[in-house]
Amino acid sequence: QKEVEQNSGPLSVPEGAIASLNCTYSDRGSQSFFWYRQYSGKSPELIMFIYSNGDKEDGRFTAQLNKASQYVSLLIRDSQPSDSATYLCAVNGGNKLVFGAGTILRVKS
Amino acid sequence: EAQVTQNPRYLITVTGKKLTVTCSQNMNHEYMSWYRQDPGLGLRQIYYSMNVEVTDKGDVPEGYKVSRKEKRNFPLILESPSPNQTSLYFCASSLLHLNEQFFGPGTRLTVL
Repeated sequence: QKEVEQNSGPLSVPEGAIASLNCTYSDRGSQSFFWYRQYSGKSPELIMFIYSNGDKEDGRFTAQLNKASQYVSLLIRDSQPSDSATYLCAVNGGNKLVFGAGTILRVKS
Repeated sequence: EAQVTQNPRYLITVTGKKLTVTCSQNMNHEYMSWYRQDPGLGLRQIYYSMNVEVTDKGDVPEGYKVSRKEKRNFPLILESPSPNQTSLYFCASSLLHLNEQFFGPGTRLTVL
């Protein structure tokens, strides 16, 4: 069983819509949760981090964490074509960061 | 500018020829890590270091070595590269192990 799971996609949304990306994790002791964006051939870039249950908003991005359900999500409001990328969910399990395989997001203009 | 640097960015080599990929950070971070990224497999951790002289294996350490003699540097060593080590490699660092990690630009390695 994979430790961090994401739907590989692609997830296609029209420009201006809300994109919803989801991630589940297996380690109940996980303490920190991250969303990275990666363009093809480039390095992952941190978008959001969240440590506590609930929502955390930063501009067009909202991260949601539910530790009881072992679920973390990322909402992107007013999606733009420049948001088209692979989104990686990462969960801190002990001394290492475990990544999901990523969800491809395509925003169509 | 706060950053993680890696060199070389691209490398083509042959089986068995020892190579080193350097990684350096200027943010005084305690934690550093190496990942490889392969299509369909995502990012997998090779080795990590909690601090100077403290290193430990990640999920895929076979065929790799690391050292952490100085806080800012964390080189990745392939003593006898093989074609299955052809991959995109990323170095990353964070203040502490629970904090967000910042990634270097990546090194694309091809082993023939």
